[in-house]
This record gives sequence, C-alpha cells and structure tokens, in this order.
Amino acid sequence: EDQVTQSPEALRLQEGESSSLNCSYTVSGLRGLFWYRQDPGKGPEFLFTLYSAGEEKEKERLKATLTKKESFLHITAPKPEDSATYLCAVQGEYLRGSQGNLIFGKGTKLSVKP
Amino acid sequence: DAGVIQSPRHEVTEMGQEVTLRCKPISGHDYLFWYRQTMMRGLELLIYFNNNVPIDDSGMPEDRFSAKMPNASFSTLKIQPSEPRDSAVYFCASSFGFLKGYTEAFFGQGTRLTVV
Repeated sequence: EDQVTQSPEALRLQEGESSSLNCSYTVSGLRGLFWYRQDPGKGPEFLFTLYSAGEEKEKERLKATLTKKESFLHITAPKPEDSATYLCAVQGEYLRGSQGNLIFGKGTKLSVKP
Repeated sequence: DAGVIQSPRHEVTEMGQEVTLRCKPISGHDYLFWYRQTMMRGLELLIYFNNNVPIDDSGMPEDRFSAKMPNASFSTLKIQPSEPRDSAVYFCASSFGFLKGYTEAFFGQGTRLTVV
C-alpha cells in the first residue's frame, strides 16, 4: 500500500536549535516529493519539490533532501516564525487508479520557542 | 493574482441540511483539487478536475458528496444531506500542468465546516 509517514508528530525546539523532520514513503514510481508548510487556519503553502534520490533544495533556514525511501527537512538555527506544521506529500505514477495524485502525510507540528 | 479563493471560510449547519462550498482557482490553472483535512486522517483527496472534467472521484466518501466545475474559474463541492462526521476543513487547490510538469498545487484558505 502506498503511504507517507512523517515523524515526529510534534517537535519543540529552542530558537537556534537545529533539527530534522522525517518523511518516509512507499509509492509505486515516485514522480515527485513535495514539502508544504501549514500555519493554523490557513491552507498548505508550497516549499519544495524533489524528484530524484540525491537531490537537495534550500530555502532560507530550510533544506530538503531525498533518498529512495525517505526525505528529510533540515531546519538550521530555527526562529519562532518557523513554527508551523510541515507536510510531506508524494506523487506517484499509478496511485488510486489514476495518475499522480498527491498523497499527504499527517505532518510534523514544529514549535520554536524564543 | 489573489490565489485560490474559497467561500465561505466558516460554515455551521444542522444535520440533514445541504451545504455548498465554493472555489475560484488561480487563473490559467488547468487542474483543480478538493481535499478534506481532519485531525484523524490528515489531508485526503476527494476529487480532482482537469480542464473542468472530473478525472478521479474515488476519494468522494459517499453519494452525499458531489462536485462540479462548470467553467475554468469556478467549482463547487456539495454535501446533501450533511452529517456530523462531515465536519472538517475542506481545501480547494489548483495547479498548472500538474501531471505533466510536476508543478506544485496552490491551496486556498479552506472552509471550516461544522455540522451539528
């Protein structure tokens, strides 16, 4: 069964304390892995797309990496404004009887304290 | 562009009533998605359209749910009759060339539905 599992469910960090969020996936033919950020009361906001193992992308304090089984979202020296839920999603070749729907994990809720 | 626009932002209705959620996608986007988000199940795809045509509705939970896209700038998700277990946040998202160029989907602010 194709699925996405994110860990931990929640993470509390002190400002400046670097850490990583994990997204493990099983999918038939990965076409893309997406990271989104979701603030309370808002829709998910796109961060990154990764297409193949070994690929890395960076944006400010965030860096996403991809292997054949998982992706990591590394947060370097986080600030309180980085507090949000981070969602991982995969797009596969033949999910749900159709092409390439996004399957989301349940997210990691990150809290960064000053 | 103002992004994906959903209305209403909040809806409280009584069990058995009809509920209609509305979505205006980003101009020029050819894919439109309806998602439902709950604490227990996270984000679940309900249905998606390509060029106004429904492509995959296998995520629609029951016949009580229906979705339409009469034109490129408007879509509705209807629940009739509504039940308490339908309470969730419903998101609409749009994308351009989603299945061709692996482009990201842009989400609206969501509609928080409460059925009492």
